[in-house]
Amino acid sequence: KAGVTQTPRYLIKTRGQQVTLSCSPISGHRSVSWYQQTPGQGLQFLFEYFSETQRNKGNFPGRFSGRQFSNSRSEMNVSTLELGDSALYLCASSPTSGVVDRQFFGPGTRLTVL
Amino acid sequence: SQQGEEDPQALSIQEGENATMNCSYKTSINNLQWYRQNSGRGLVHLILIRSNEREKHSGRLRVTLDTSKKSSSLLITASRAADTASYFCATENYGGSQGNLIFGKGTKLSVKP
Repeated sequence: KAGVTQTPRYLIKTRGQQVTLSCSPISGHRSVSWYQQTPGQGLQFLFEYFSETQRNKGNFPGRFSGRQFSNSRSEMNVSTLELGDSALYLCASSPTSGVVDRQFFGPGTRLTVL
Repeated sequence: SQQGEEDPQALSIQEGENATMNCSYKTSINNLQWYRQNSGRGLVHLILIRSNEREKHSGRLRVTLDTSKKSSSLLITASRAADTASYFCATENYGGSQGNLIFGKGTKLSVKP
């Protein structure tokens, strides 16, 4: 099976803009989680979607949002970008909701906000 | 907040040596997972150990779990230059929200040829 794919791989935006990142999970996986990784805060959970429903949300402002489509592909959107949003954004997929099993991570999208 | 905390933060060894990384966590868990991340890339799952297991092996990896001390260790034997990466432990809060892993800050391992 193909692995988790994320597009784009690199993105440069300026403050105030908005951005949409995409994640395609492994075929058959219905859960998609998003994480933000920065040098200062490490890996932090953003949200998880399962069967098009947000199941869990981390402690991020409302500027961060996401959705999941019927084919399990997911997008996350960040509006009104701030310099601190520069990070590696990782998505992970799993056959089931929750983390009782391993998570399969994509290569990430490197977002730089200028 | 961080659930797992790895120790040491950085580790430098020679090829062929063993590398041991430790992870401590705060609350009860269902399982604990270890992941590897090569520089700036995605995470790769290494091993999952359940709360009722004490030790698990996978190739050159050995993971132990001590739930009474809320700690885990990852041992990489006969290290290779290709093992150079950051290693993270991750947990889910027992009885807490599902769907997210809580990661430690990681141990950065450098294996010199």
